[in-house]
Amino acid sequence: AQSVSQHNHHVILSEAASLELGCNYSYGGTVNLFWYVQYPGQHLQLLLKYFSGDPLVKGIKGFEAEFIKSKFSFNLRKPSVQWSDTAEYFCAVNAGATNKLIFGTGTLLAVQP
Amino acid sequence: DAGVIQSPRHEVTEMGQEVTLRCKPISGHNSLFWYRQTMMRGLELLIYFNNNVPIDDSGMPEDRFSAKMPNASFSTLKIQPSEPRDSAVYFCASRRDVGGNQPQHFGDGTRLSIL
Repeated sequence: AQSVSQHNHHVILSEAASLELGCNYSYGGTVNLFWYVQYPGQHLQLLLKYFSGDPLVKGIKGFEAEFIKSKFSFNLRKPSVQWSDTAEYFCAVNAGATNKLIFGTGTLLAVQP
Repeated sequence: DAGVIQSPRHEVTEMGQEVTLRCKPISGHNSLFWYRQTMMRGLELLIYFNNNVPIDDSGMPEDRFSAKMPNASFSTLKIQPSEPRDSAVYFCASRRDVGGNQPQHFGDGTRLSIL
């Protein structure tokens, strides 16, 4: 069965620190990968997505993610976080012919001013 | 563009009552998804529809839960009878499936509290 693992459940950073959130998935075939962000009290919003092509994907708000097929990973990065990045971040995988998105358990990021 | 619209935004009701959550997907989107989010279990897919037809309801927790999509612009998720453990935020999402995968767009959710 497909699954998504986010190893960091809670991350606390100071403003201007660099961020990397881990995401690993289990599926041997073609995958589509997503990162969603959920700000406090709001719905999930798409940060970025990977379907094919350049494995380094740039998203909104200065976020990027790198797809490393050999490691089954799709880590999210941002060189310098801001207080407004405080949110929960979800990695998701859509694998094979299915329409279903499998979400990771999420990572709560708190950025201290 | 109007996004995915869910109603109500909040609902508080006593256990045993019937609860109906509503969703209007983005116009032109042909897939619709219902999720439940709790602290303990995270984000769980309950059911999804493609072209108004339920495709996978394996995530529906039990017979108390039912979902319908009578037309392309409306879906309901019903819980009858409701129980305190059903308290959660319920999200609806929609997607346009054209020529490859597209991201899902989420509504603002319904925060459900069963007393």
